[in-house]
Amino acid sequence: QKEVEQNSGPLSVPEGAIASLNCTYSDRGSQSFFWYRQYSGKSPELIMFIYSNGDKEDGRFTAQLNKASQYVSLLIRDSQPSDSATYLCAANDYKLSFGAGTTVTVRA
Amino acid sequence: DVKVTQSSRYLVKRTGEKVFLECVQDMDHENMFWYRQDPGLGLRLIYFSYDVKMKEKGDIPEGYSVSREKKERFSLILESASTNQTSMYLCASSLIGTGVVGELFFGEGSRLTVL
Repeated sequence: QKEVEQNSGPLSVPEGAIASLNCTYSDRGSQSFFWYRQYSGKSPELIMFIYSNGDKEDGRFTAQLNKASQYVSLLIRDSQPSDSATYLCAANDYKLSFGAGTTVTVRA
Repeated sequence: DVKVTQSSRYLVKRTGEKVFLECVQDMDHENMFWYRQDPGLGLRLIYFSYDVKMKEKGDIPEGYSVSREKKERFSLILESASTNQTSMYLCASSLIGTGVVGELFFGEGSRLTVL
């Protein structure tokens, strides 16, 4: 079983809508979780991290963590065409394990 | 700004050749990592290092070795390249102890094709 699983894409949303990305992890020892964004042909860059159960908001992005369910999500509100990218979920359990990524396309 | 520099953006090698991928970071980070990225598989950790001359195997170390003789430099070595090692290789570095543990700073990647 892969350590970090993401919902399969691609995900297409209209401009202004909410994009919802989901991630589950298998190692209960994982303490911290990260969302990276990767534009086509570019390297990943960190957009959010979360350590505690609940929600964490940063601008149009909200990360949600539920350790009991081993579930992490990312919401992108008011989606913009510039949000079109692949989003990678990662869990930190001594080493950083990444999911396969979900590709998001925001339609203008 | 943190800068992670990978020596080659594109390489084409033949099966059986020895391949060196070099990575240098300029922010005095303790941790350095080598990942490969393949479509549908995401980022997979090959090796990482938390200190000079220290290395640990990641999830897919077979066919690879690494060297970290200086803090700023982390090299990935393919002793005998094979076609299944055709991939995008990403180097990354991060701090430990301070800052956001888990915030990796990535290089631009090295796309290796093995013929």
